[in-house]
Amino acid sequence: GQNIDQPTEMTATEGAIVQINCTYQTSGFNGLFWYQQHAGEAPTFLSYNVLDGLEEKGRFSSFLSRSKGYSYLLLKELQMKDSASYLCAVMDSNYQLIWGAGTKLIIKP
Amino acid sequence: DVKVTQSSRYLVKRTGEKVFLECVQDMDHENMFWYRQDPGLGLRLIYFSYDVKMKEKGDIPEGYSVSREKKERFSLILESASTNQTSMYLCASSFSVEGNTIYFGEGSWLTVV
Repeated sequence: GQNIDQPTEMTATEGAIVQINCTYQTSGFNGLFWYQQHAGEAPTFLSYNVLDGLEEKGRFSSFLSRSKGYSYLLLKELQMKDSASYLCAVMDSNYQLIWGAGTKLIIKP
Repeated sequence: DVKVTQSSRYLVKRTGEKVFLECVQDMDHENMFWYRQDPGLGLRLIYFSYDVKMKEKGDIPEGYSVSREKKERFSLILESASTNQTSMYLCASSFSVEGNTIYFGEGSWLTVV
């Protein structure tokens, strides 16, 4: 079966750095997405990786290793507004998105 | 900016009622999706559509149907609501399939009592 694993919850301190990991086993691979979802709101797009390596976008970076079936989202200089759930999703060989359950990130002052 | 609008933010319905959830997107996207989201579970795909009048079953289509009569509008129908359909429903759209970002609506919180 297809599976996306990510930690259920993480806690970090304002101003610090946090890394949210995502491992996947899917039927084929056509890219990996990260979305941010604040409580009670819609998910919003953060990043897309289809090739190995690091993609940097401001305070957020996303890394992909296709051979290891692994990705991480790195958040730097954490702010209180970064408290949210972070969803990892993989597009499989049929171009269907397989979603992880999400990681709830709690930022403490 | 892409706008995906869901008609109802919060609904409370009785068991057995017919429920319509409407979704409209303003970016001329071909693809539209309906997901449900429950605590501790990932987003689960109910139905999707790649074109007008076209629909495909997702992972959990039982108890649901959809309608896409116009490109910009995708409706989710619960023919006879049940308590296990209490959930948050998310509509989404995208321009094309391969690697393209999907955009979500604000979500509809449905409670079936």
